[in-house]
Amino acid sequence: EVQLMESGGSLVQSGGSLRLSCAASGFTFSNYAMNWVRQAPRKGLEWVSSIGGDGVYTYYTDSVKGRFTISRDNSESTLYLQMSSLSAEDTAVYYCAKGLGTESYYMEVWGKGTTVTVSS
Amino acid sequence: DIQVTQSPSSLSASVGDRVTITCRPSQGSSIYLAWYQQKPGKVPKLLIYDATTLQSGVPSRFSGSRSGTDFTLTISSLQPEDVATYYCQRYHSAPLTFGGGTKVEIK
Repeated sequence: EVQLMESGGSLVQSGGSLRLSCAASGFTFSNYAMNWVRQAPRKGLEWVSSIGGDGVYTYYTDSVKGRFTISRDNSESTLYLQMSSLSAEDTAVYYCAKGLGTESYYMEVWGKGTTVTVSS
Repeated sequence: DIQVTQSPSSLSASVGDRVTITCRPSQGSSIYLAWYQQKPGKVPKLLIYDATTLQSGVPSRFSGSRSGTDFTLTISSLQPEDVATYYCQRYHSAPLTFGGGTKVEIK
C-alpha cells in the first residue's frame, strides 16, 4: 500500500525557518515525481512545489521562489521542503503528493498533511 | 500570472441530478488538466487527469471533457457520497495552478 507521512510542521515565528519531511513507502520512490501542496485554513488548494523522480527538475510557485527549497533523498524514500523567511501567509496544512510517473506531476496519492502556523 | 477560473463556486443539486463544473485556464490550449475531489475533513483525491482519463477506482458517473479552452467535470447522477469540494488543476507547465474550487451539496 502506498503511504505518505508528512512531519515537521509546527508553530514558528514570522521570519523563521522550518523543514518539512514526507516519508514514502509502498512504491519505488525514485520512479515518481513528488509534489507539495498547501491549504490555508478554510481556503482552497495551492500548489507549492514539485520535483522530478531523479531530483534534477524542480518547480515552485512564485510566492515561495527564493524562500523554499524542495529536495528528495531517494535512498531514504523521503521528500523535503526547506522553508525560510516564513510569514503569516505561509500558514497552512502542507500535503505531499505522489506523482503518476517520473515526470508526471498529477497528484495520485496524498499524505494526511502537516500543519505550519506562522505567528506574527 | 496564470489564473484558472472555475465555476460555479458552489452548487446545490438533488440526488440523481446531472452536475457540471467548468474550468478555464487563462493561458494555453493544453489538454493537461486534472480534477480532484476533497470531501469534508479529508485529503484530496485524484478523479481525472489529462482532461478525460478516469483515475483507477473512480466511479464511472464521473467524466471529464474539453471544448475549446473550457474543461468540464460531469457527475452524471449525483450521489450523497459526492458531497465535496471539487478542484481543477492546470498541468501543462509550472505553475500547476488550482482553480478556486466548487462546493457541491445535496438539495
